[in-house]
Amino acid sequence: AQSVTQPDIHITVSEGASLELRCNYSYGATPYLFWYVQSPGQGLQLLLKYFSGDTLVQGIKGFEAEFKRSQSSFNLRKPSVHWSDAAEYFCAVGAWGTGGGNKLTFGTGTQLKVEL
Amino acid sequence: EPEVTQTPSHQVTQMGQEVILRCVPISNHLYFYWYRQILGQKVEFLVSFYNNEISEKSEIFDDQFSVERPDGSNFTLKIRSTKLEDSAMYFCASSADVVAFFGQGTRLTVV
Repeated sequence: AQSVTQPDIHITVSEGASLELRCNYSYGATPYLFWYVQSPGQGLQLLLKYFSGDTLVQGIKGFEAEFKRSQSSFNLRKPSVHWSDAAEYFCAVGAWGTGGGNKLTFGTGTQLKVEL
Repeated sequence: EPEVTQTPSHQVTQMGQEVILRCVPISNHLYFYWYRQILGQKVEFLVSFYNNEISEKSEIFDDQFSVERPDGSNFTLKIRSTKLEDSAMYFCASSADVVAFFGQGTRLTVV
C-alpha cells in the first residue's frame, strides 16, 4: 500500500525567503505524485503533479517540485515566498484502481506560516 | 474555469440522523470521489465511483455510508445514522484521468 510522509508539521519563513517542503512516498511502481494547497476554510487546490518525464515540474503560483526516485522524494520549492502563500500544503501519491479512478493517499500536511 | 461544487458548506445534525452531502462534479469527468478530513488530521480516501458503481472503497466506508449518482450531474454521499466521530470536512472530487479536482468541502458537525 502506498504512503506519504511529510516530516515537517509546521514551517515558518520570512516573506521573500526561499521555501522547501519535504515529502517522501512509498509506492511499488512509478507513482503519480501531487502537491495540493489548502487555505483556511477552503478546499484543496492542485499546485502541481508528476507522472513521468522531466523530474522537475512547474506548477502554479511559482511553485516547483523535483521527483527523486533514488530518495523516494518529491519536495516542493519556491524561490521567494509571498505572505499569501501561508496555507497548509499536502503531498499525495495516487494509485490507479483496477475498477477505475485514482485513489489519493495524502500526507499529514505542512502548515506554512509567513512572517512579514 | 470548471469547478466541483458542494452543498451545503456546513451542516449540523443530531447523532443518529441521516445526512446527504451533495456534489456537482465537473461536467465531462467520469470518475468521482469522496474524501474526509477530521479536524487536525490528514485527508482520507473514502470511495471512488465510476460507471455507476463503486470502484474502490476504504475501510472507513462501511455500511452506514452510500454513494449515488441520481442523475447526470449530481453525486451524493449518504450517511445513514451519524455518529459523533463522523464530524469532519467532507470533500468531493472528480477527474477525467489521474488529476482530481476538489470541491470546497462540506463541514459536517454531529452533535
